[in-house]
Formats: sequence, C-alpha cells, structure tokens
Amino acid sequence: DAGVIQSPRHEVTEMGQEVTLRCKPISGHNSLFWYRQTMMRGLELLIYFNNNVPIDDSGMPEDRFSAKMPNASFSTLKIQPSEPRDSAVYFCASSKESRAGYFGPGTRLTVT
Amino acid sequence: AQSVAQPEDQVNVAEGNPLTVKCTYSVSGNPYLFWYVQYPNRGLQFLLKYITGDNLVKGSYGFEAEFNKSQTSFHLKKPSALVSDSALYFCAVRDGDAGNNRKLIWGLGTSLAVNP
Repeated sequence: DAGVIQSPRHEVTEMGQEVTLRCKPISGHNSLFWYRQTMMRGLELLIYFNNNVPIDDSGMPEDRFSAKMPNASFSTLKIQPSEPRDSAVYFCASSKESRAGYFGPGTRLTVT
Repeated sequence: AQSVAQPEDQVNVAEGNPLTVKCTYSVSGNPYLFWYVQYPNRGLQFLLKYITGDNLVKGSYGFEAEFNKSQTSFHLKKPSALVSDSALYFCAVRDGDAGNNRKLIWGLGTSLAVNP
C-alpha cells in the first residue's frame, strides 16, 4: 500500500497567489482529514470528510480556505489568496471506521 | 467538551531507562484513544490505540499504553528508552459513541529527548 500521498511536498509562493494542495487517501478509507501544523498553534484540524462529504469544517480559518473531495480517491485544499501567516506544514490523513488515521508526509508551505 | 491534556511539554530520560509520556482526556462517550509519533520533518506515525478490551495496549517500536478509566488517562510507556525514540509524541481521543463523527481531539504534543 502506498499510504497517503500528498503533493507537492514543498511549495513556495508569493503573497496573494492561489495555492492548491492535493491528497490521495489510502484506498478503501472513507474518512479524510486536513490538518495544519505550526510551532505556534501545534496541530489543528481544518476540515474532515466522511464518504466524500464535509462533516466538520469549523477549523477552516477563514473564507480564503476551501476544501473539496470530488471522489473517494482525491481531495484538495485551496488557499486563495495566500498570506504569509498561512505558512505551515499541511497534513492529510485518512482512516476507516474506528481504525487509526494514517498521515501523509505533509506539504510544507511557505508564503513570502 | 472533549479535550486532551499532555501536561509535559518535554520529557528527558536517559537511554536504557523506562519512559512515560502522560496523557489525560475528557470525552462524553466511550473513548477511543490514540498515540502518534512525529520525527523531525516527517508526518505523524500511528503507534497504538485503545478501542476496547485489555487496558494494556501494545504498539509499535516496543511502546505500550495503559487505559485507566477512573483516572481518564492513557499514558504511553516503554521499558527501556532508545536515543532513536527522541521525537514529538501526540495523544488523541475521539468519542466512540459519536457515530460518524470521527474527529480526533489532539493534545499539544510532548517532546521526548532520550540522552545517550
């Protein structure tokens, strides 16, 4: 099993640009989570999906952030426009029922 | 409200000594408890979980954790620490009675340093 796949692994962009992060969950997993990790705030859940449906997006910081899951094997997290304070590592994780979530390697985003 | 507390920001232990990383939780229903480890510049890796059954759970890399319902704790332990265990450890909980709500509540993490 390839595990959770995230792309890109690193992204450097200028303030105001649109950023799209991508995630492919583990096949057969029906829950998908987007997290953000920073030194200041630790690990924050942004949004999660069950069976491709957003269940809880209360962690999405503001309207600049949006996430989609068009099918069971793909999800995107978009930031438009990006700001320097969005710089963080963004993790995608997937799980199935009561099993543990498995994390992807993360995307390190730097907004200058 | 559901919550997880990891009371120690950092734990230091000598190689070969036993280690404990503490976690306490608050959840309204049956707790599903998890430990994850994060090595520098890496994603989180699952170590072990408690869903039901034996209160002592054994996981990866020789780690174990004991579920204590009366103390609402799920401390992570290892009998003999290795330098390579130095990492950031996260405890997480979710309400097992919450149906489709699979949202995990995370602790802030504990940095473990094992000294040679």
